[in-house]
Amino acid sequence: GAVVSQHPSWVICKSGTSVKIECRSLDFQATTMFWYRQFPKQSLMLMATSNEGSKATYEQGVEKDKFLINHASLTLSTLTVTSAHPEDSSFYICSAPRGRYNEQFFGPGTRLTVL
Amino acid sequence: DAKTTQPPSMDCAEGRAANLPCNHSTISGNEYVYWYRQIHSQGPQYIIHGLKNNETNEMASLIITEDRKSSTLILPHATLRDTAVYYCIVRSPGGGADGLTFGKGTHLIIQP
Repeated sequence: GAVVSQHPSWVICKSGTSVKIECRSLDFQATTMFWYRQFPKQSLMLMATSNEGSKATYEQGVEKDKFLINHASLTLSTLTVTSAHPEDSSFYICSAPRGRYNEQFFGPGTRLTVL
Repeated sequence: DAKTTQPPSMDCAEGRAANLPCNHSTISGNEYVYWYRQIHSQGPQYIIHGLKNNETNEMASLIITEDRKSSTLILPHATLRDTAVYYCIVRSPGGGADGLTFGKGTHLIIQP
């Protein structure tokens, strides 16, 4: 069964609004989670690393003030897309490492459409 | 993480074995080979990983060459549900604090 969940699975919002996406590890604790973005017909691109109890680290070119990440507990990380615009429309996916070899387990993804 | 090279696409008949190659000639001694796949509009799924020995689990087998410069993922009896993009990623398992770098992968299409 799924070990990482995301909510919502899809969301449509108006330009200028903010959208929060949740990522939960279901039966294990994750001090670190990762957020990816995937545009149509492209591969996944790492956006940021979410660290429980400390600030997230962002990849080059990702605006930290636009993509707010909160990792408030060992099983929950949230990504908030602030003042969303149509170019933010994408498939957002989270993952968490688990196991001795740090296999990454991915959530099912959240499709964001900004009108 | 070492760079990997995969063919952009492959076809395989349903019920046959699907063999997906990956080149990783710059792999270093402590790096493992991981395979993931992404079915359309879903999050990626972990398949298997290995260091130098061949590995098998309920999903697939992983064959790594003796010099570790290439590997092959084998789906023994492909089904239509195996149609997906398959990613070969090389990294150190100690890099749990690092996100994954995805290449373009191989789009495997299983034909009925």
